[in-house]
Amino acid sequence: AAGVIQSPRHLIKEKRETATLKCYPIPRHDTVYWYQQGPGQDPQFLISFYEKMQSDKGSIPDRFSAQQFSDYHSELNMSSLELGDSALYFCASSRVGQVQYGYTFGSGTRLTVV
Amino acid sequence: AQKVTQAQTEISVVEKEDVTLDCVYETRDTTYYLFWYKQPPSGELVFLIRRNSFDEQNEISGRYSWNFQKSTSSFNFTITASQVVDSAVYFCALSSEKAGANNLFFGTGTRLTVIP
Repeated sequence: AAGVIQSPRHLIKEKRETATLKCYPIPRHDTVYWYQQGPGQDPQFLISFYEKMQSDKGSIPDRFSAQQFSDYHSELNMSSLELGDSALYFCASSRVGQVQYGYTFGSGTRLTVV
Repeated sequence: AQKVTQAQTEISVVEKEDVTLDCVYETRDTTYYLFWYKQPPSGELVFLIRRNSFDEQNEISGRYSWNFQKSTSSFNFTITASQVVDSAVYFCALSSEKAGANNLFFGTGTRLTVIP
């Protein structure tokens, strides 16, 4: 069965650079969520999209932006990277009205800022 | 507000011992969903189980079992006859069916180490 695809798996950037993370949800899933997990931390909700519109916003820095495209894939854009942005970034997808069936997570993108 | 508390930060057990991971949640919603995820050293989040607020039936899946008690707002997870491969961080999570706000809230996780 198709899963949530995230790319790249690993990314190394320097401070003040920009990074773009991509997420391809499970087919027919219309909602995408982004989470950030710092070292030794639990995943923190950043932002979500439903039908290409932002549906909820968590602790996402102003330096970050995201969008969902017509094919439902989503991109998380991160600018002016800081050392503290080093984390595992997860994308998850679900289908609205079917939260009871759970969220499927991608394998994550490990971002290292040096 | 949603909140998930996993009071046990780290647990170590010897292989074949049983272990229970605690999870206590807070929510004002009447319809909500509880989840457990496993995060092995490789980093991915592996879905284990989901429970909705209307179903308090306990569940068993092989060596795993879950005890959901609304009266104490708890959703505990027991691994029977633990194995080394069970070593991971386990997250309990909560979500509710609210329009535009149904993201998952995670607990801080419990790191389980199974010693051979």
